[in-house]
Amino acid sequence: NAGVTQTPKFQVLKTGQSMTLQCAQDMNHNSMYWYRQDPGMGLRLIYYSASEGTTDKGEVPNGYNVSRLNKREFSLRLESAAPSQTSVYFCASSEIQAWNADGYTFGSGTRLTVV
Amino acid sequence: QQPVQSPQAVILREGEDAVINCSSSKALYSVHWYRQKHGEAPVFLMILLKGGEQKGHEKISASFNEKKQQSSLYLTASQLSYSGTYFCGTERMDSSYKLIFGSGTRLLVRP
Repeated sequence: NAGVTQTPKFQVLKTGQSMTLQCAQDMNHNSMYWYRQDPGMGLRLIYYSASEGTTDKGEVPNGYNVSRLNKREFSLRLESAAPSQTSVYFCASSEIQAWNADGYTFGSGTRLTVV
Repeated sequence: QQPVQSPQAVILREGEDAVINCSSSKALYSVHWYRQKHGEAPVFLMILLKGGEQKGHEKISASFNEKKQQSSLYLTASQLSYSGTYFCGTERMDSSYKLIFGSGTRLLVRP
């Protein structure tokens, strides 16, 4: 099925460990995003890539790095995990033009716990 | 800067109507609306571009007041399946290509 695929779905890390969250989309979208959602809260933008070859900081970029590997793939790296990074991480993609109003397509999320 | 959503929570009986509001202090290019069920990813409902248009999706419609930088989501004759958390996402004129989401409105529809 076409869409956004995130791996892994669940992860437990110890404080100080590093890991990379993977995201791939097969809709030929130009733009990709990483959001985090804390329990009972809204979505906060970490980083985004408006097009292949570009990345920009969002609202809460500290402690994270990203790589737009190609048009399909956008990864999020935690270099030294902290308990405050315990959250659900969503990747999304879009192709928003004035004439193509399909919104963002979200992946199913990665539930990360840092102990 | 996050858009402000109101109310924070709504409880309805099946068949009742509800309005969810979203406002921004900055000039907006577009407003998106999403619904998220517990434990699932947000799902796109509709987008409104600057120009003050109104759109509809089944019994769910929305409007965008460009002068006030406000959008409203209208749920008519609510169904049990409408339960979930509704988020507005705003794209500002001065920083395109990214959505900033509000804190959400929890909607519970009871039989």
